[in-house]
Amino acid sequence: ETGVTQTPRHLVMGMTNKKSLKCEQHLGHNAMYWYKQSAKKPLELMFVYSLEERVENNSVPSRFSPECPNSSHLFLHLHTLQPEDSALYLCASSLYRNNEQFFGPGTRLTVL
Amino acid sequence: SQQGEEDPQALSIQEGENATMNCSYKTSINNLQWYRQNSGRGLVHLILIRSNEREKHSGRLRVTLDTSKKSSSLLITASRAADTASYFCATEGSGNTGKLIFGQGTTLQVKP
Repeated sequence: ETGVTQTPRHLVMGMTNKKSLKCEQHLGHNAMYWYKQSAKKPLELMFVYSLEERVENNSVPSRFSPECPNSSHLFLHLHTLQPEDSALYLCASSLYRNNEQFFGPGTRLTVL
Repeated sequence: SQQGEEDPQALSIQEGENATMNCSYKTSINNLQWYRQNSGRGLVHLILIRSNEREKHSGRLRVTLDTSKKSSSLLITASRAADTASYFCATEGSGNTGKLIFGQGTTLQVKP
């Protein structure tokens, strides 16, 4: 257990569905991150939040919409996804942005 | 791009042997981090080494950093079957952005 939890662990959705991924950290960290891990590709940073402010949007399509209501929670809202968006979505947090990151177990997303 | 590239892509050794994995990157960095990932799970942070450091140890792990060659190595001594996992290096550029660039990873198999 790293102190970072993600729900759900598995999600299957159609291309017209709207769903949300949730991440919660119990470490008192100030920065949170969303990553995408696809097969045979390096882990890709999607978004960085620092003190609830989005400080990085790594050219992510608008069908992915992050939300950080407070420093402990991070959401990724999904709508009209494509099959190529199927991947493992990982959340991470760190005390500050230049510290080691603690990862959650991930949400395995399948888009049909 | 300052993407880390690991070498080798796959490594298979016997329990008790040492395992060495290498990482190269392209631009100046603030720090370099090594992570481990068991199949389909979240990443676990191993070691963070800053650009002004040359070597760090943690238990059976030893990390070196050569900024002149833009390379790092991870040595696992006296390997165990439980060390079987994928290992990733990740670099953070200047500016304390928290933006990590991950390599493709090295898949390590330790045979009992």
